[in-house]
Amino acid sequence: SQQGEEDPQALSIQEGENATMNCSYKTSINNLQWYRQNSGRGLVHLILIRSNEREKHSGRLRVTLDTSKKSSSLLITASRAADTASYFCATDAGGKLIFGQGTELSVKP
Amino acid sequence: EAGVTQFPSHSVIEKGQTVTLRCDPISGHDNLYWYRRVMGKEIKFLLHFVKESKQDESGMPNNRFLAERTGGTYSTLKVQPAELEDSGVYFCASSPGQGKAVTPLHFGNGTRLTVT
Repeated sequence: SQQGEEDPQALSIQEGENATMNCSYKTSINNLQWYRQNSGRGLVHLILIRSNEREKHSGRLRVTLDTSKKSSSLLITASRAADTASYFCATDAGGKLIFGQGTELSVKP
Repeated sequence: EAGVTQFPSHSVIEKGQTVTLRCDPISGHDNLYWYRRVMGKEIKFLLHFVKESKQDESGMPNNRFLAERTGGTYSTLKVQPAELEDSGVYFCASSPGQGKAVTPLHFGNGTRLTVT
């Protein structure tokens, strides 16, 4: 069964707006990671949040984790056209990362 | 440092043929993973090597898929014979570390496989 499920599947916003993506998972985890994929390229790691952490920041990125609800969110503030990409959450449920379908983010200039 | 490299970037083969994908991880990374993404669906785990040993191959679809990691360096993923449903993008990723938790993975750009 799929572990990470992102929501929404697609998101279109204007430059300067904030983008929020959500991720739900099913089993207990060691950590949860967010990745970005630009078209035709590999995934790039953005941020890792451990199971005992509730919030983490990195530049314009803010990640929250609610282990009681088995959910996480990624907030990108002041979005730029260059943020256009697919975003994936991945859960570490023991030895490997399990990815979801991703959220396709389009930021219009 | 050189990143994870995958070869070829694209491959188009006919049903029934054989294809071998190659991955060169970042030097010194003991962990090597293979993933596959089919038609916009989730990125699905295939298998995990620690050095030359298969740690977890629970995601391998069937026995038409064979993965090897010679001497704990580069890895190959062979599909023989290929079927139409094998089409997709195959990603390789590597990471250092031997702890229980998975550290951030470094991905290659993937091999886009099309089976016609």
